[in-house]
Amino acid sequence: GQQVMQIPQYQHVQEGEDFTTYCNSSTTLSNIQWYKQRPGGHPVFLIQLVKSGEVKKQKRLTFQFGEAKKNSSLHITATQTTDVGTYFCAGLGRTGTYKYIFGTGTRLKVLA
Amino acid sequence: DGGITQSPKYLFRKEGQNVTLSCEQNLNHDAMYWYRQDPGQGLRLIYYSQIVNDFQKGDIAEGYSVSREKKESFPLTVTSAQKNPTAFYLCASSRGFSGNNQPQHFGDGTRLSIL
Repeated sequence: GQQVMQIPQYQHVQEGEDFTTYCNSSTTLSNIQWYKQRPGGHPVFLIQLVKSGEVKKQKRLTFQFGEAKKNSSLHITATQTTDVGTYFCAGLGRTGTYKYIFGTGTRLKVLA
Repeated sequence: DGGITQSPKYLFRKEGQNVTLSCEQNLNHDAMYWYRQDPGQGLRLIYYSQIVNDFQKGDIAEGYSVSREKKESFPLTVTSAQKNPTAFYLCASSRGFSGNNQPQHFGDGTRLSIL
């Protein structure tokens, strides 16, 4: 079945450093969504990417969807302590399934 | 203020007992979902519902049951058949079903533990 893997599983950075998490699917995706879950909280929707090669920015966050629509990345420039949390990607397959498969998540810790 | 309300926040289950987790939304969303989250892992889909009186099994439905009698409500019952129920349970809803590229809105979750 469809699988979505994320790397790294954990990342500790000094405040001000950049951070990137990568999401890889075993199958081609229709679209991909990104969510952020703060410690003890629930996932919150960040963004959705639909087109091949699409790049979207939200302030210090840059999201990219691969040309083959099988991978995606989230890059944070100059991390802040408010960026702490777990970042999940969720992919929707192209095989007619209508449920998102969540990645394993990347837990980000920012050291002040 | 619109949103999704899950209750209780913490729940303890005795051996052989069924427990029901509540999920209510006032967002007028058609689709609702139940996920299970284990420590250090992603979300796994238990059940989902596209419309009232209809629901489908997700990837890990064994030992769980749901109902969708009202648009606003999608309760999840963890039955005694679920041998490892300790987890964080998240309910979500979306305006349309996943296939319509709709983002999911999540509740605050219920932490279930075995006594």
